[in-house]
Amino acid sequence: GIQVEQSPPDLILQEGANSTLRCNFSDSVNNLQWFHQNPWGQLINLFYIPSGTKQNGRLSATTVATERYSLLYISSSQTTDSGVYFCAVGDTGTASKLTFGTGTRLQVTL
Amino acid sequence: NAGVTQTPKFRVLKTGQSMTLLCAQDMNHEYMYWYRQDPGMGLRLIHYSVGEGTTAKGEVPDGYNVSRLKKQNFLLGLESAAPSQTSVYFCATLPYLAGRTDTQYFGPGTRLTVL
Repeated sequence: GIQVEQSPPDLILQEGANSTLRCNFSDSVNNLQWFHQNPWGQLINLFYIPSGTKQNGRLSATTVATERYSLLYISSSQTTDSGVYFCAVGDTGTASKLTFGTGTRLQVTL
Repeated sequence: NAGVTQTPKFRVLKTGQSMTLLCAQDMNHEYMYWYRQDPGMGLRLIHYSVGEGTTAKGEVPDGYNVSRLKKQNFLLGLESAAPSQTSVYFCATLPYLAGRTDTQYFGPGTRLTVL
């Protein structure tokens, strides 16, 4: 199956700092999503981005499918950005089953 | 429009007991999935369904059974719970879109503890 690696595993930032999270995957995909899991365990869809670039407020994401990686940018971080960020990819077969990475745990401090 | 709901939110079982988790959706999505999340890990696929009356195994299906008798509901059953099944269970849905895919929508999760 597809392998998904995320880096860094842990990240501590001061409020206002910028960061880049990376997701590498081992095979062609037809689906790539970034999620934020908040401290209460809720999974929040950030981006559906199998290719290209998208922006939503302080967050943006870029996927380079031919080179099998995706980047999530967080600018001007806030304490509410704390939590775990997951990258998940879907295989090119039917049913679009997702394979998740192990996540990047982000802590934003004052 | 409730989206994806999961019942119950929390449950504690003793080893050997059985239970059923319910996932319900009101978005008329064809595909439904059950994932589990263990501490410090990403989600792993247990079973999935590509339509009413269909089910298929995912990455970690052992110890679980599923049914999709109605399009809007996907049931996950544990016949004889084991401590290794202590986890948070997430349901997800996806609309069928010929030739392409889209965002999977996730429920709020069910936290299950097996003693």
